[in-house]
Amino acid sequence: RKEVEQDPGPFNVPEGATVAFNCTYSNSASQSFFWYRQDCRKEPKLLMSVYSSGNEDGRFTAQLNRASQYISLLIRDSKLSDSATYLCVPSYSGAGSYQLTFGKGTKLSVIP
Amino acid sequence: DTGVSQNPRHKITKRGQNVTFRCDPISEHNRLYWYRQTLGQGPEFLTYFQNEAQLEKSRLLSDRFSAERPKGSFSTLEIQRTEQGDSAMYLCASSPGAGRMNTEAFFGQGTRLTVV
Repeated sequence: RKEVEQDPGPFNVPEGATVAFNCTYSNSASQSFFWYRQDCRKEPKLLMSVYSSGNEDGRFTAQLNRASQYISLLIRDSKLSDSATYLCVPSYSGAGSYQLTFGKGTKLSVIP
Repeated sequence: DTGVSQNPRHKITKRGQNVTFRCDPISEHNRLYWYRQTLGQGPEFLTYFQNEAQLEKSRLLSDRFSAERPKGSFSTLEIQRTEQGDSAMYLCASSPGAGRMNTEAFFGQGTRLTVV
């Protein structure tokens, strides 16, 4: 099983639509969770940290289910500028170790 | 600009040459990471520093790769005897290492390496 699994997409949605991305992770010891967005040929940028059972930031809502090892991201009222690849990132911290583990990402295209 | 800074932004080198990249993390961030990303893939972990100590290295980091963070501030990543398979974007990130947001990592713009 891959460490982080995401549907690669692409998700092609019209402006104003609501879109949801799902992610599963294999390391049950993961402690912190993040969503990053990455534009083509650019660096990943932190979009949201995911806290306890979930949190909201404007049009973005992230959910975490530790029992199922599942994270989701919901984007409401999609904008053209939301077009990007969205990376699900669980992190693990142990004795002398800290890693962010990236999936391949889900590509979103918001269409006028 | 107080973000993570990487130099150079682009590097083209001939196969067999050595290259060195530099990363300046966000000031006072204790943790520094190097990742590598190829087209269509997510970033792959290479190595991690807590202050000046290199605490973890991926098996991806062959003996041709070496990273240092001598004073716990900037870091360098050196690739010796480059191969065409080393062509990738090399990303550096840093995180505070303490406090409530201690695990939030911020990336530099990366160094794009092309080995010809």
